[in-house]
Amino acid sequence: DVKVTQSSRYLVKRTGEKVFLECVQDMDHENMFWYRQDPGLGLRLIYFSYDVKMKEKGDIPEGYSVSREKKERFSLILESASTNQTSMYLCASSLVTSGSIHEQYFGPGTRLTVT
Amino acid sequence: KQEVTQIPAALSVPEGENLVLNCSFTDSAIYNLQWFRQDPGKGLTSLLLIQSSQREQTSGRLNASLDKSSGRSTLYIAASQPGDSATYLCAVTGNTGKLIFGQGTTLQVKP
Repeated sequence: DVKVTQSSRYLVKRTGEKVFLECVQDMDHENMFWYRQDPGLGLRLIYFSYDVKMKEKGDIPEGYSVSREKKERFSLILESASTNQTSMYLCASSLVTSGSIHEQYFGPGTRLTVT
Repeated sequence: KQEVTQIPAALSVPEGENLVLNCSFTDSAIYNLQWFRQDPGKGLTSLLLIQSSQREQTSGRLNASLDKSSGRSTLYIAASQPGDSATYLCAVTGNTGKLIFGQGTTLQVKP
């Protein structure tokens, strides 16, 4: 079974802190994604990556950056956390073979609260 | 721009009923469509994936259909149980590999 793990289930940080959210997948997937989920707004894509050291902006990249130094690990960085970044953060990964896009597998989520 | 809509937003049924959740999308140029389940405060669990060339997929009491030309998918749940209570999300994958999600249908199955 594919496993996507996230470093923390719950996290509380102060405004202005630098925050790292880590995601690791164990199935050698090329694609990795970071989403945030907010009531009434649904899931929104922040950043994604098709390969090591490669990143693409999603729909709401402002205030975030990412790092993918190894294929299995995709990190989301909040350079200076703000209260409007309080949210549920979800990581996902998927396989791409011969031009086919496979299903995305999600981690358990990190509930981040910024005070 | 692709938009995904799920109707209804919430649904409450008695245990044992068969039910249908609806999903519609505006752009038929999709690679696949996924149905997910999300329990409160948890991540997403993939239920079914339908490739664009397929018409339906089945897993246990779940059956998902896809009609690309009309931009519609349905998730059929047979003999619903209280344990089926959750939010169900559908999402389509475009040629960039990105998922576009609907807002979800929150299902409550009453014992």
